[in-house]
Amino acid sequence: KNEVEQSPQNLTAQEGEFITINCSYSVGISALHWLQQHPGGGIVSLFMLSSGKKKHGRLIATINIQEKHSSLHITASHPRDSAVYICAVSTQGGSEKLVFGKGTKLTVNP
Amino acid sequence: NAGVMQNPRHLVRRRGQEARLRCSPMKGHSHVYWYRQLPEEGLKFMVYLQKENIIDESGMPKERFSAEFPKEGPSILRIQQVVRGDSAAYFCASSPSSPNYNEQFFGPGTRLTVL
Repeated sequence: KNEVEQSPQNLTAQEGEFITINCSYSVGISALHWLQQHPGGGIVSLFMLSSGKKKHGRLIATINIQEKHSSLHITASHPRDSAVYICAVSTQGGSEKLVFGKGTKLTVNP
Repeated sequence: NAGVMQNPRHLVRRRGQEARLRCSPMKGHSHVYWYRQLPEEGLKFMVYLQKENIIDESGMPKERFSAEFPKEGPSILRIQQVVRGDSAAYFCASSPSSPNYNEQFFGPGTRLTVL
C-alpha cells in the first residue's frame, strides 16, 4: 500500500463545476503539499499546510491531521485548470524529502 | 529573483553514455532535492543534498548514479552508462536554510531520453 493515496485517479468536469480531490496518508508528516503539473511542463507548488485550511483564489486546501486526510477544492472550474494535481507529504524526523501520491488527472471541458 | 534552474531541459543519450543533469537552486537556498518521474509513474525521491554534503541518498540506485552539490556552482546528478530504463523526467527542488521550513520550489525538469 502506498504511503500517500489520492482519489480519484482521473476526473472530468464541465466548466464551472466544483472540484474535489482527496488525499490520504499513512505516515507521520510535518507538512502536506499540493502540487500542479501541466502536460510536458514543470511542477508548481500550490499549497503547503500542516493544519486547518488555506485559500488562494479559486483553490482551497484543507487538512485533518487526526484523520490523516486532505482535500483540494477548485471552485468555478475552468479549462485552464486542466492538469495533474499531486499530493505529497514531508515525512517527520528526517530529511523532509517528499513522498508523492500518484496524482489526479483533471480535465475541465468548456 | 530567478527560480530554480535546470539544464539541459532535454537530453538524449545512447546506451552506455554518461548523462549530467544540472540544478541551480534559488538564490539563498542551500538545500537541494532530486526527484525522478518515470513514464506513467509518480514522482520518487532520489537524493537530498546540502552544500558539499549528501544528507539522504536512500532513493538513489546503488550503481551508476551519483550526486554532488559543491561549494560553488550547481548541483549535479550524474548517471553513468545509461540504460533505456533511465529515460525519465528528473526534477530538482530547492528550499531555504531556515530550520523547519520545508516548502520546496521545483525546477522545470530535465527530460532524459536514452536511445
